[in-house]
Amino acid sequence: DTAVSQTPKYLVTQMGNDKSIKCEQNLGHDTMYWYKQDSKKFLKIMFSYNNKELIINETVPNRFSPKSPDKAHLNLHINSLELGDSAVYFCASSQGGAGGEQFFGPGTRLTVL
Amino acid sequence: AQRVTQPEKLLSVFKGAPVELKCNYSYSGSPELFWYVQYSRQRLQLLLRHISRESIKGFTADLNKGETSFHLKKPFAQEEDSAMYYCALRPGGSYIPTFGRGTSLIVHP
Repeated sequence: DTAVSQTPKYLVTQMGNDKSIKCEQNLGHDTMYWYKQDSKKFLKIMFSYNNKELIINETVPNRFSPKSPDKAHLNLHINSLELGDSAVYFCASSQGGAGGEQFFGPGTRLTVL
Repeated sequence: AQRVTQPEKLLSVFKGAPVELKCNYSYSGSPELFWYVQYSRQRLQLLLRHISRESIKGFTADLNKGETSFHLKKPFAQEEDSAMYYCALRPGGSYIPTFGRGTSLIVHP
């Protein structure tokens, strides 16, 4: 009954590889997000997406791309991985409008070697 | 653009002591403000939001528009309160929240 789930939980890969992280929410929310949490625990929003628009944080390299096959899924694809991409990536969802509480996934710890 | 400032990276207290985690914001409109908590190796979860005016796990936070602050308080800290706390602001009409850098709270026995 997990509300927001992510796979994999851990991802270890070599520099230069391409990888994807999957996210699914069963809350019926209309907006999903991807965050990056670095080693200092700083939480940075990368993308926000609903069925109407994709909002990209302009500081995110274009090697990162969100892909949404349907309203319940927002996957994160990363090309040409770099050492600095190592972090914990959190998916989240919310229902637009009043309230605005975000529900987070468990996180994916990405390690780039 | 809005900004959320959590001036303390680390706050260390003893069990039973009062706790105040500071959060200041800058935003010209009417924001929605939240506190999220992340226990060790767990996902972030909502602790409380200003529109609810509720107390969760003994924590309260009052929005002070004059001081543009939303400090999180608890009169008597418990060891299980040890966690990372994030203050977040969501501008009215926007999907995009802005998070502060987080404050790590450590409660010693």
